[in-house]
Amino acid sequence: GAVVSQHPSRVICKSGTSVKIECRSLDFQATTMFWYRQFPKQSLMLMATSNEGSKATYEQGVEKDKFLINHASLTLSTLTVTSAHPEDSSFYICSASGTSGGVDEQFFGPGTRLTVL
Amino acid sequence: GDSVTQMEGPVTLSEEAFLTINCTYTATGYPSLFWYVQYPGEGLQLLLKATKADDKGSNKGFEATYRKETTSFHLEKGSVQVSDSAVYFCALSDAWGNRLAFGKGNQVVVIP
Repeated sequence: GAVVSQHPSRVICKSGTSVKIECRSLDFQATTMFWYRQFPKQSLMLMATSNEGSKATYEQGVEKDKFLINHASLTLSTLTVTSAHPEDSSFYICSASGTSGGVDEQFFGPGTRLTVL
Repeated sequence: GDSVTQMEGPVTLSEEAFLTINCTYTATGYPSLFWYVQYPGEGLQLLLKATKADDKGSNKGFEATYRKETTSFHLEKGSVQVSDSAVYFCALSDAWGNRLAFGKGNQVVVIP
């Protein structure tokens, strides 16, 4: 099946710094990418949806200036957590869907564990 | 808004035992329902789905039936294997079919 990778898998940073997480579709073109956040023992919460070449659509309550999303190509989307604080520590998961765009064609990355000290 | 509720707590059972994971949902309209599985170190994978009432999704011995009257989509497997140890997530799509809402997930541990 389709493969989605994330890099890094784990990152630790100091409070106030910015962190970039990459999401790549390795063997298909992803017209739409989704970013989720997962707290321990909680469900995945959709943060934003991005279509290649256009601005991301953020879910209610997600700060767009805090979580910068770029989807510049059909195989790469990035999430930048700006001026990170300890409360931003979480597990971030991306998913990608191909030209069909349907939810059942979403392929998920393995996630990135962010720890902000 | 749309939401999914999964039973609390991890599930530990012996090999060849019967597995049930409960899932109920709240939604407007007629969502599609999904079960995803996440094996250690890997991304979520679609396990099965159902798109309308009374549909039964099945894959790898797992089954779930879309019950509109009870707003449920319980996952079952008749005889689990150690390789079924994973986290299982119930999810639904919104009315437009392009956003997913997930339950909290259940850790399943199968003991030899």
